[in-house]
Amino acid sequence: EVQLVQSGAEVKKPGESLKISCKGSGYSFTTYWIGWARQMPGKGLEWMGMIYPGDSGDSDIRYNPSFQGQVSISADKSISTAYLQWSTLKASDTAIYYCARLKVNWGDYWGQGTLVTVSS
Amino acid sequence: EIVLTQSPATLSLSPGERATLSCRASQSVSNYLGWYQQKPGQAPRLLIYDASNRATGIPARFSGGGSGTDFTLTISSLEPEDFAVYYCQQRGNWPLTFGGGTKVEIK
Repeated sequence: EVQLVQSGAEVKKPGESLKISCKGSGYSFTTYWIGWARQMPGKGLEWMGMIYPGDSGDSDIRYNPSFQGQVSISADKSISTAYLQWSTLKASDTAIYYCARLKVNWGDYWGQGTLVTVSS
Repeated sequence: EIVLTQSPATLSLSPGERATLSCRASQSVSNYLGWYQQKPGQAPRLLIYDASNRATGIPARFSGGGSGTDFTLTISSLEPEDFAVYYCQQRGNWPLTFGGGTKVEIK
């Protein structure tokens, strides 16, 4: 059974850093893209970027230009886990963040979401 | 960036009725358009990909159509569990983008 399990909810202050995770199981982690999507409170979905872990060498990463430089996406193939990272959080980063396995750029399996709250 | 515009924003219908949702792209996406369902407190679920293909396990009452810039999602007869928000998404160009969503609510 394909599963994506995300790390738990986080409460942070503006200016702090954060790394959330998404662990894949039940499929070959290195042969599918993983995408990250943001859903701000009461709003719609936005793709932030995606990563292809690959079998060898560096992972392939693509960022939505709207999020380029705001976040970093990475993966640890040895533990089948993808990450989304911020170096300096802002209040406007408050949202639910979802990871999804991408099959031909369709999110066919999704994580349960990670709520990130940034407040002073 | 391709902008997807969904209409209507809200659709008020009764169980058993037919629902027709629209998604219009700012430029052609060929048939690279999909639909997701999202219920409160849940992650999105893929319903339709490449305009008209049902994803695994999706009931036959859900169907998709269209090509180029105009697409529709049809639910032939609404079941109680179908009341939710529906999003379209295109994969024709990077970045991948979603529409703003249509909420299907109980009348």
